[in-house]
Amino acid sequence: SHELAQPPSVSVFLGQTARITCSGDALSTQYAYWYQQRPGQAPVAVIFKNNERPSGIPERFSGADSGSTATLIINGVQAEDEADYYCQSPDATGTYRVFGGGTKLTVL
Amino acid sequence: EVQLVQSGAEVKKPGESLKISCYASGYSFPTYWLGWVRQMPGKGLEWMGFIYPSDSDTRYSPSFQGQVIISADKSINTAYLQWTSLKATDTAMYYCARRDRDRHYIDVWGRGTAVTVSP
Repeated sequence: SHELAQPPSVSVFLGQTARITCSGDALSTQYAYWYQQRPGQAPVAVIFKNNERPSGIPERFSGADSGSTATLIINGVQAEDEADYYCQSPDATGTYRVFGGGTKLTVL
Repeated sequence: EVQLVQSGAEVKKPGESLKISCYASGYSFPTYWLGWVRQMPGKGLEWMGFIYPSDSDTRYSPSFQGQVIISADKSINTAYLQWTSLKATDTAMYYCARRDRDRHYIDVWGRGTAVTVSP
């Protein structure tokens, strides 16, 4: 079955760079998507197709991919970036989608 | 304005059936994939499945195949998520979500429907 692994938590100082990884076999052939979820709110997409930003998402958000690992990069982290982040991708056949377990980003 | 308006919170007993809805407005409902995402209390997002209302092509996550039914009525721009026999473990927030046609990310989310299953 298709699974995506994320670290449960990442901590970063205000203004520094945060990197959140997502690993899974399907990522070697499928795109990764990243969503931000603040408490009590619906998720919001911050990256699609590995490294593209939806309109309205700040430029400090970017994505990278290498083999079976995708990475969400947040440059110059702001206090409002503290949230849960989820990666998502299709399975290898593109039939269904899976979310990673989520990473709680803490801004120190 | 593109919107997904979900039905209200539900409180049910184990073994009961339930159908929650998601009404879409502001776009061509039949031509966008629309999915359902579960979030159990204090837990992460789980993709359940999605449907293409134009032809009712439906794709389920293996974890939810046979556990729920996803359907859509394009005549009233509404998608549904249905259970025939609820369990306590179905207690969760359920989001409906539209997939962008070209970029394939979820670009519109409903506010969620809270389902509580308790004896």
